[in-house]
Amino acid sequence: DAGVIQSPRHEVTEMGQEVTLRCKPISGHDYLFWYRQTMMRGLELLIYFNNNVPIDDSGMPEDRFSAKMPNASFSTLKIQPSEPRDSAVYFCASSFVGNTQYFGPGTRLTVL
Amino acid sequence: SQQGEEDPQALSIQEGENATMNCSYKTSINNLQWYRQNSGRGLVHLILIRSNEREKHSGRLRVTLDTSKKSSSLLITASRAADTASYFCATALQGAQKLVFGQGTRLTINP
Repeated sequence: DAGVIQSPRHEVTEMGQEVTLRCKPISGHDYLFWYRQTMMRGLELLIYFNNNVPIDDSGMPEDRFSAKMPNASFSTLKIQPSEPRDSAVYFCASSFVGNTQYFGPGTRLTVL
Repeated sequence: SQQGEEDPQALSIQEGENATMNCSYKTSINNLQWYRQNSGRGLVHLILIRSNEREKHSGRLRVTLDTSKKSSSLLITASRAADTASYFCATALQGAQKLVFGQGTRLTINP
């Protein structure tokens, strides 16, 4: 298996632009997690899905952030409009019950 | 406040020495996990210890869990330069599938 796949790996955009991050979980995994990592705040859980249904979005910072999982093999995290404080590394992870999570390589987002 | 807090925040040792990192948490857990993150990479799962276990081994890794003190430790024996990374503990709260990560310990192994 190729592991969790994220795209793009790097994204540089200007304030106010829409940003879409993509994730393909490991086949057969039924949980998908989106995290954000910064030096100041560490690793924060934004939202997670079970069987494509959002279970807990309490970590989503504000309405500018939205996440979808239209099927078992694809999820997106969208930021609209983006702000400089959104600059961070965004990770996607997946798991199959039992809690061990497998992380993707991350998307490094820079908002100018 | 963080559920899991690692101690120390940074650790620098010589190759071949043992490295010990500690993690404390606040609420009852289902299990506790340790992850490693190399610079610029995603997190990699190292080991999981359940709340009814006290010690677990995996290769050069040894994890202990003391639920009465709400603490865990990760010991890496005979450290190697390739062990240089950040190490995170993550707690799985009872009744929840999500993990809560600590701030991590930055481990540097000097050759």
